[in-house]
Amino acid sequence: AQRVTQPEKLLSVFKGAPVELKCNYSYSGSPELFWYVQYSRQRLQLLLRHISRESIKGFTADLNKGETSFHLKKPFAQEEDSAMYYCALFPGGYNKLIFGAGTRLAVHP
Amino acid sequence: DAGVTQSPTHLIKTRGQQVTLRCSPKSGHDTVSWYQQALGQGPQFIFQYYEEEERQRGNFPDRFSGHQFPNYSSELNVNALLLGDSALYLCASSSSGGRTDTQYFGPGTRLTVL
Repeated sequence: AQRVTQPEKLLSVFKGAPVELKCNYSYSGSPELFWYVQYSRQRLQLLLRHISRESIKGFTADLNKGETSFHLKKPFAQEEDSAMYYCALFPGGYNKLIFGAGTRLAVHP
Repeated sequence: DAGVTQSPTHLIKTRGQQVTLRCSPKSGHDTVSWYQQALGQGPQFIFQYYEEEERQRGNFPDRFSGHQFPNYSSELNVNALLLGDSALYLCASSSSGGRTDTQYFGPGTRLTVL
């Protein structure tokens, strides 16, 4: 079955602390994975995609096929990083996405 | 470019009624996907429209139907509403050129079924 699991509903950290948002996936083929973010009162938007191997707003994510994970990391959290983060899997075929349930990141001053 | 737009913003219906939600894609995009986001959940794929035809569908009953117009805008129709249909309905647009072209999401329509 194709599935994305984000085990934490809420991650609460202090400003300047490292952040790791966990994402595990279930997929039999070669996956394409994404992180989407939704800031307060804003629409869902793409944060990064693993094939780009880029760093956006200091966030990085590495695909680990052995552990079927795509964790999102940032070394020093900022208050403006507070948002809902969704991990998503592209399962092939046409352009549809399978989303996890999301993790709310709260960064405290 | 206003990006993806959706209307209405909020909607309240009663069980058994029918509802139509509307979406205009981002300029230059020709593919529209619809997602349902229940409270506390991630978006779930309903279906996708391209060239005025449904080309992929998620695990949703036939009560959910859609349409795409020649200008690429799209409608989502839900018949015989159930309480469980209460959710945020998101529209996303993309171009047909690549399998994983970035999807741009609209602000959503909040549907409440009483």
